[in-house]
Amino acid sequence: AQSVTQLDSQVPVFEEAPVELRCNYSSSVSVYLFWYVQYPNQGLQLLLKYLSGSTLVESINGFEAEFNKSQTSFHLRKPSVHISDTAEYFCAVILTGGTSYGKLTFGQGTILTVHP
Amino acid sequence: KAGVTQTPRYLIKTRGQQVTLSCSPISGHRSVSWYQQTPGQGLQFLFEYFSETQRNKGNFPGRFSGRQFSNSRSEMNVSTLELGDSALYLCASSYLAGDEQFFGPGTRLTVL
Repeated sequence: AQSVTQLDSQVPVFEEAPVELRCNYSSSVSVYLFWYVQYPNQGLQLLLKYLSGSTLVESINGFEAEFNKSQTSFHLRKPSVHISDTAEYFCAVILTGGTSYGKLTFGQGTILTVHP
Repeated sequence: KAGVTQTPRYLIKTRGQQVTLSCSPISGHRSVSWYQQTPGQGLQFLFEYFSETQRNKGNFPGRFSGRQFSNSRSEMNVSTLELGDSALYLCASSYLAGDEQFFGPGTRLTVL
């Protein structure tokens, strides 16, 4: 079975500072990886995904994540955060080839709080 | 394209009652997955439906059930509600089961 570990439950940071949210996964077979963001009282929004190809993936709002197969990690980074980035972030995996039949496995989430 | 919609957004029930939640996927999406989100357990997979068939089920008791209609809309039902069923229930849709999933806003269920 696959599992996802988000190493920090809370990350406080000042506005315009860089941030890294850490995610490690465990799986005996290949997976696709995702980062989702959840704002208060809302559902999850897909931030970025790694399916194949370049190991560095970027989102339209400045976040990036790098897939590291040897370290089984998919850390999320942003060089300069804004107040509006305050939210909870979830790392998730799904088995490739559709064999998960729709089952995303999530980490426990990291609450990012950006202070002015 | 309209996103995933869930109704109702909020529900208050008492122990022992049953509840039905509804999810309309993005047009053209055939896979619908349901998740339970609680502060203690995080996001947990309930089940997945594709073409009206349940293909995967998480580790939840039989009180949790679901179905999918021919138009891909899905419902989940929880019978004999317990206090611990209080949670945010999220529905997600995707074109195929292994694709990225798009989530609805969720239904907040409170059991008193």
